[in-house]
Amino acid sequence: DIQMTQFPSTLSASVGDSVTITCRASQSISTWLAWYQQEPGKAPKVLIYKASILESGVPSRFSGSGSGTEFTLTISSLQPDDFATYSCQQYNSYPLTFGGGTKVEIK
Amino acid sequence: QVQLQESGPGLVKPSETLSLTCTVSGVSITTYHWTWIRQPPGKGLEWIGYIFYSGSTNYNPSLKSRVAISVDTSKNQFSLRLTSVTAADTAVYYCARCNALNCYSWFDPWGQGTLVTVSS
Repeated sequence: DIQMTQFPSTLSASVGDSVTITCRASQSISTWLAWYQQEPGKAPKVLIYKASILESGVPSRFSGSGSGTEFTLTISSLQPDDFATYSCQQYNSYPLTFGGGTKVEIK
Repeated sequence: QVQLQESGPGLVKPSETLSLTCTVSGVSITTYHWTWIRQPPGKGLEWIGYIFYSGSTNYNPSLKSRVAISVDTSKNQFSLRLTSVTAADTAVYYCARCNALNCYSWFDPWGQGTLVTVSS
């Protein structure tokens, strides 16, 4: 199985801050990576797929980069709606696996 | 627009079988691959497996001996069965659509999720 490790697990920030979340794969997954946002009590919502392609309707302050084993999700200028948990997911090989999540909290 | 809705018992006894159904609206279930994902309380997401309308499936090896996913094209539904459940199977269970062939993809959209608690 490909292990997906995210860090940090928790991140405290203020509205207007720029934040970066990292996701590391235990082996190369090319760019077969998605990022999700999950608000408490709700289903995950896809933000980015193929490592850097923004899903339709997602604000441009979200961006993704990386390839191989190291990936980042950057949120420039945090907005109140952005305080949530973010997870990465690889779809290079079965079983499809997720990172453990990064909770972005209000400082 | 495509919508998914999970349904089934919220409480299952240990050693019994968990059964959930996902009803798809807004698109024919024959058009895509469909998947189940779960999330234990306070923990990360775990992919369970996928199905295609033909009946083709692929399961997470960690659950393969206990899981079965089936499809009913006449009702535009697919279902999950998980046998011999324990407290470790307590989770929110989500159904979702795969966005590429054989589910080598991200998932979108998702159902709202349903909490299944395993307890006597």
